[in-house]
Amino acid sequence: DAGVIQSPRHEVTEMGQEVTLRCKPISGHNSLFWYRQTMMRGLELLIYFNNNVPIDDSGMPEDRFSAKMPNASFSTLKIQPSEPRDSAVYFCASDAASGANVLTFGAGSRLTVL
Amino acid sequence: DAKTTQPPSMDCAEGRAANLPCNHSTISGNEYVYWYRQIHSQGPQYIIHGLKNNETNEMASLIITEDRKSSTLILPHATLRDTAVYYCIVIGNTPLVFGKGTRLSVIA
Repeated sequence: DAGVIQSPRHEVTEMGQEVTLRCKPISGHNSLFWYRQTMMRGLELLIYFNNNVPIDDSGMPEDRFSAKMPNASFSTLKIQPSEPRDSAVYFCASDAASGANVLTFGAGSRLTVL
Repeated sequence: DAKTTQPPSMDCAEGRAANLPCNHSTISGNEYVYWYRQIHSQGPQYIIHGLKNNETNEMASLIITEDRKSSTLILPHATLRDTAVYYCIVIGNTPLVFGKGTRLSVIA
């Protein structure tokens, strides 16, 4: 099992550009989570899905952020337009069972917005 | 709204047991205690969780007091690779919320 796969691992972009982060959860896992980590705010939950359906997006900071899960094996987190304060490491995680909270995290996508 | 209190940092000698404390005096009856760790530049890693009984797996042991107001994560023989930030999380059937954790430094 390759684990949770995230891409890109590193992204450097300029303010105003669109950023798309991708995640492939572990096969058979039916819950998917997007977290963001910064030095100032630590690890923050942005949004999570159960069976491809968004359950809680209250952690999404602004309308510039959107997330989709078109099928059980793929999710995207999009920022449009990006701003310097969006610079962070974005982690995707998946869980075999809703509410089990035994998450497997990906390696993260480090985003730098200039 | 912090449900747990952990020391910000701890040191442990290599080969010795690392005992990481966590206070959670407001824990509810249906809430579990979870432990995760994050090694530098990696995603968090699940370690162990429990409700009220002590638990052990290949990575660690979790000791929960009888009143469930505190717990201790034990790494029986710490190695340099155990240097990480350790998060104690008290949660029910809702997603994980991470606090600041304890930065454990294992020293040779």
